[in-house]
Amino acid sequence: GAGVSQSPSNKVTEKGKDVELRCDPISGHTALYWYRQSLGQGLEFLIYFQGNSAPDKSGLPSDRFSAERTGGSVSTLTIQRTQQEDSAVYLCASRGGGSQETQYFGPGTRLLVL
Amino acid sequence: DAKTTQPTSMDCAEGRAANLPCNHSTISGNEYVYWYRQIHSQGPQYIIHGLKNNETNEMASLIITEDRKSSTLILPHATLRDTAVYYCIVRARDYKLSFGAGTTVTVRA
Repeated sequence: GAGVSQSPSNKVTEKGKDVELRCDPISGHTALYWYRQSLGQGLEFLIYFQGNSAPDKSGLPSDRFSAERTGGSVSTLTIQRTQQEDSAVYLCASRGGGSQETQYFGPGTRLLVL
Repeated sequence: DAKTTQPTSMDCAEGRAANLPCNHSTISGNEYVYWYRQIHSQGPQYIIHGLKNNETNEMASLIITEDRKSSTLILPHATLRDTAVYYCIVRARDYKLSFGAGTTVTVRA
């Protein structure tokens, strides 16, 4: 597609449920990032995929969070046993890789945990 | 990573140029200055980036001082749709982005 797409746009779930968030990066982009943005907060890095390398998971806040990227394209961020503090906008960005510097963001998934 | 300092907010009249300052006094020689903006309820949008030279694209111009310790983003003819939070970022070596509070720009008719 022309840009990064994410689904769903909005997700409301109950505390304790699992959720899956999807990201479709720009075609051909080898680097993919997940961030989250809480109300009134800045951007928080979660995880980074680059090609076939092992992902950089250094930003994941707990072991309830995991992500995978299948076939070097689509990525899924999974949050298990959701908590109210997980409520945030989850943003995905992709970058061409190598020396290409710019990350392009998707519209985000707004997650609300009740 | 170099930190950036931006004013909290600024107003601009529609049709006038908006000049957004950013200080990044600890920037290192190979770090780029990036600007993104975020319109309410949307994902961040890339605007422009630069290393040493001034840059211009269809959205904006970026003026970087000779010592690279500060820069200015210029929106040449602000419109109401330019109302957003503008983030000045120095790119980390590992490409992870980190946004601060940014500058909330309000364009008024």
